[in-house]
Amino acid sequence: NAGVTQTPKFQVLKTGQSMTLQCAQDMNHEYMSWYRQDPGMGLRLIHYSVGAGITDQGEVPNGYNVSRSTTEDFPLRLLSAAPSQTSVYFCASSYFPVDWGSTDTQYFGPGTRLTVL
Amino acid sequence: DQQVKQNSPSLSVQEGRISILNCDYTNSMFDYFLWYKKYPAEGPTFLISISSIKDKNEDGRFTVFLNKSAKHLSLHIVPSQPGDSAVYFCAADSGGSNYKLTFGKGTLLTVNP
Repeated sequence: NAGVTQTPKFQVLKTGQSMTLQCAQDMNHEYMSWYRQDPGMGLRLIHYSVGAGITDQGEVPNGYNVSRSTTEDFPLRLLSAAPSQTSVYFCASSYFPVDWGSTDTQYFGPGTRLTVL
Repeated sequence: DQQVKQNSPSLSVQEGRISILNCDYTNSMFDYFLWYKKYPAEGPTFLISISSIKDKNEDGRFTVFLNKSAKHLSLHIVPSQPGDSAVYFCAADSGGSNYKLTFGKGTLLTVNP
């Protein structure tokens, strides 16, 4: 059971380049989400999904696209990278409906550190 | 407009003593409150949560207290251990079908041997 995996671990992009951050989980979780963490800031929700084919926006969705074609995968796409998107990105997953009171709740991946020059 | 606030960026305590991490919130619609722990270069891990209908939840060395009238919650760690040194995030969910967590900025806890 690998849990939540994210690739790549590190990435450097130039302004205007596009890329996809990969996220996969093997726990059969329906709920998946993407967060970004900036220095001195908490995690902010970018997009989330409650099942294959269903996605919705979080707090900071601009500049990012997502799709959910399978239960296991939830990629995050940057169409035209900007320096403001330099951040650490975390993917998370959980059973749905999410039970925040359960100890078996949201699991996070190890993160992708993205730098946009 | 920060709805979840952790006003102490850092806290340093001695091993064996109590650590108290604080969190304030402004949204009275928050339904659940969670604490996450994060080590460097790792993702956050769930620590403990509390429903808005309770005022205390305990799990081993960790206890979370909720004061709804003051819109304040705190995490107590007793006794503190060096392995507890990490960043602690407070988070809140507004319930319903949104399933969106709002996080505080985090508090770096250092437990000195």
